[in-house]
Amino acid sequence: ETGVTQTPRHLVMGMTNKKSLKCEQHLGHNAMYWYKQSAKKPLELMFVYSLEERVENNSVPSRFSPECPNSSHLFLHLHTLQPEDSALYLCASSQDLQATDTQYFGPGTRLTVL
Amino acid sequence: GDSVTQMEGPVTLSEEAFLTINCTYTATGYPSLFWYVQYPGEGLQLLLKATKADDKGSNKGFEATYRKETTSFHLEKGSVQVSDSAVYFCALSARTNAGKSTFGDGTTLTVKP
Repeated sequence: ETGVTQTPRHLVMGMTNKKSLKCEQHLGHNAMYWYKQSAKKPLELMFVYSLEERVENNSVPSRFSPECPNSSHLFLHLHTLQPEDSALYLCASSQDLQATDTQYFGPGTRLTVL
Repeated sequence: GDSVTQMEGPVTLSEEAFLTINCTYTATGYPSLFWYVQYPGEGLQLLLKATKADDKGSNKGFEATYRKETTSFHLEKGSVQVSDSAVYFCALSARTNAGKSTFGDGTTLTVKP
């Protein structure tokens, strides 16, 4: 596989469920990101990791819990979500945290919270 | 704080028309500037970028020039195709806060045959 992959591509969950989103990058990058993309709203940065250390936590509710076990994998653990959390969740990676670094995005997980 | 303002969409053009999508920014220092494109059902992908003033980024017939004096990075293409239909995002990454890119709201382009 190449690039950035995300699983699952689609997820429907109830408000009391617990689920996890997985992201894997095959680019040898050191930084990884979670974004939330909602209809008619700007792209929202949620978390940034560099060399497995969280460097940015953008006031995200605690019902979203990230995990970065190594520089190739990033997870987003979800529990007791709200319907307004329904969105496309995008993972991205970049070589490092340089301003000139391009971010490479996965295809996203389309999450629906019932 | 940093901000990116993009031309509001949606934009609808006929095939072979000229495209301009305006983008202006506010940032401290000299950020790097990017255009990303998102095709239906996919994540964002880099279209082009420029990392210093007066640089021109280009790819697949698209161009944008980093204009420091007008704080702009407008996207242009001389002749659009139906396959260019997508959402286009302007973004900046400031040197002082590189892990936190700022994205515009996105402009939806539809090209009709």
